[in-house]
Amino acid sequence: QLQVQESGPGLVKPSETLSLTCSVSGGSITSSSYFWGWIRQSPGKGLEWIGSIYYGGNTYFNPSLKSRITISRDTSKNQFSLRLNSVTAPDTAVYYCVRGLTVSLVLDYWGQGTLVTVSS
Amino acid sequence: QSVLTQPPSVSGAPGQRVTISCTGSSSNIGAGYDVHWYQQLPGTAPKLLIYGNTNRPSGVPDRFSGSKSGTSASLAITGLQAEDEADYYCQSFDSSLSGWVFGGGTKLTVL
Repeated sequence: QLQVQESGPGLVKPSETLSLTCSVSGGSITSSSYFWGWIRQSPGKGLEWIGSIYYGGNTYFNPSLKSRITISRDTSKNQFSLRLNSVTAPDTAVYYCVRGLTVSLVLDYWGQGTLVTVSS
Repeated sequence: QSVLTQPPSVSGAPGQRVTISCTGSSSNIGAGYDVHWYQQLPGTAPKLLIYGNTNRPSGVPDRFSGSKSGTSASLAITGLQAEDEADYYCQSFDSSLSGWVFGGGTKLTVL
């Protein structure tokens, strides 16, 4: 059974960098059948795609966040990570890591989510 | 402003049928990309409800069904139950963004 689990600081100061890691167990992040990504949900709001990383390492980002995002992976640890620079209060959200199927682009596994608050 | 448009809320009495619409454009749903639906119960992560427009993952009751036509899709829930009260999101892929897009979410209230 696949499990994906987010980890990282729950509080980040304005203008600093948000860093989160997703640990994957029960499946390989280098499998060609899947891609991996980050979704966020601001309090009381809807879902927003942040970015994705495919099995070959290619990355794709939401254009509205592209200038501030880095998504990377550590295949030896079966983890992938998100860095969001220059955060402000609107970046406060629950951040989810997800797995998607490359064929249908459906997000079939979601982490439980981690709340990151941007505040001084 | 979400790329896919959903009604903010729908409601129905127990046992009734409700539908939730999801309207896109020629760069996403209309381009032939599949539509998927997720159910988010309060305080939990979204859960896949319908994939590939019409398919249910194992364990999802057949009271839930999906359809797609042109630039729109719909989620239908029959025999409403109190446990169906949740937020529902549609999702597809957008070729102009080269990424996933979501609807704004629809809150289902079971009266």
